[in-house]
Amino acid sequence: EIVLTQSPGTLSLSPGERATLSCRASQTVSSSYLAWYQQKPGQAPRLLIYGPSSRATDIPDRFSGSGSGTDFTLTISRLEPEDFAVYYCQQYGSSPLTFGGGTRVEIK
Amino acid sequence: EVQLVQSGAEVKKPGESLKISCKGSGYSFTSYWIGWVRQMPGKGLEWMVIIHPGDSDTIYSPSFQGQVTISADKSISTAYLQWSSLKASDTAMYYCARAYGDYIPHWYFDIWGRGTLVTVSS
Repeated sequence: EIVLTQSPGTLSLSPGERATLSCRASQTVSSSYLAWYQQKPGQAPRLLIYGPSSRATDIPDRFSGSGSGTDFTLTISRLEPEDFAVYYCQQYGSSPLTFGGGTRVEIK
Repeated sequence: EVQLVQSGAEVKKPGESLKISCKGSGYSFTSYWIGWVRQMPGKGLEWMVIIHPGDSDTIYSPSFQGQVTISADKSISTAYLQWSSLKASDTAMYYCARAYGDYIPHWYFDIWGRGTLVTVSS
């Protein structure tokens, strides 16, 4: 099973700042099969990024994904008020599918 | 509009059985796998199981094999998750999600239901 470790656990930033979230895998994620989701309180997760740099439908271009092998990054170029949420990475290179523990982006 | 509509919240006692549902609409239900994801209170996401509604092919996470049963009725575009004997530790939000991908097991989840909250308490 591939274990995904997300860091930091919490990121305290102000609107307009840049957010950089890390997702590290315990072994190589084949073909960069990695996705990112956003979850707001009381809501279901929403797909942001897959593959690992393709944006899902209707996702603004301030969100970008990068990485390969075991190290992946989600970047939010300029935080908007609606971006404060929890973010999860998920690998789909091998079964079982696994998620990281999440990074909370909170308002500083 | 593509959507997954889940059944409502449930409150059960330990040892009881339960079946929750997830109805797809706005797309060809038999063309996409459907997965279930658990989120325990205050915790992260855990993939449980996935089914192909067209032929009921299923794949379980080892952590959930034998703990739950997935099924689907393609005639009514609905997937199900069931327990035969609930435990307090099954208390969680359960999401169904449409799986997107070309080959087993290369799926990410592009459409999510709103979740079904299951509370198990004596």
